[in-house]
Amino acid sequence: EIVMTQSPATLSVSPGERATLSCRASQSVSSNLAWYQQKPGQAPRLLIYGASTRATGIPARFSGSGSGTEFTLTISSLQSEDFAVYYCQQYNNWPLYTFGQGTKLEIK
Amino acid sequence: QVQLVESGGGLVKPGGSLRLSCAASGFTFSDYYMSWIRQAPGKGLEWVSYISSSGSTIYYADSVKGRFTISRDNAKNSLYLQMNSLRAEDTAVYYCARDGAAAGVSPWGQGTLVTVSS
Repeated sequence: EIVMTQSPATLSVSPGERATLSCRASQSVSSNLAWYQQKPGQAPRLLIYGASTRATGIPARFSGSGSGTEFTLTISSLQSEDFAVYYCQQYNNWPLYTFGQGTKLEIK
Repeated sequence: QVQLVESGGGLVKPGGSLRLSCAASGFTFSDYYMSWIRQAPGKGLEWVSYISSSGSTIYYADSVKGRFTISRDNAKNSLYLQMNSLRAEDTAVYYCARDGAAAGVSPWGQGTLVTVSS
């Protein structure tokens, strides 16, 4: 099983600043990596797939990068609605996905 | 718009059974792969099961293999998860989701809570 590890567990950032979230895979997943946002009481929402492609309707302040085992989700100029939990997901051995444990992005 | 609505969750005793349903609308259900993904209270996401568009290919997570059965009825635009021999560790919100393979999982339903407790 491919293990996904996200860091940090909690990230405190002020509105208007940049947030950088990391995700590491236990073995190469090529670019088969997605990012999801989950707000309290809501279902996850797809943000990024293919490591760097924004899903439909996702603002340009969200960007993804990386390949192999190291990935980054960057949110430039944080808005109030961006504070949430973010999960990475590998689908290199689709459909047997695995998710990271999540990074909680909180207001500083 | 594309919508997935789960139902069938509830409180069940250990060893009991439950059947979840997911009603799809706003897209051609029979064209898409589907998955069930769960989230234990306060925890992260765990993929549970996958079914191909025709229903001919099915996969399960090891944690549910032999106890859960995924199925679909394309004529009714519906996805199902039959859960037997339920355990306390199966307690979670269960989401049905459209599986886009390399395009990610989207959208997700609002989820249905399954609580296994005596």
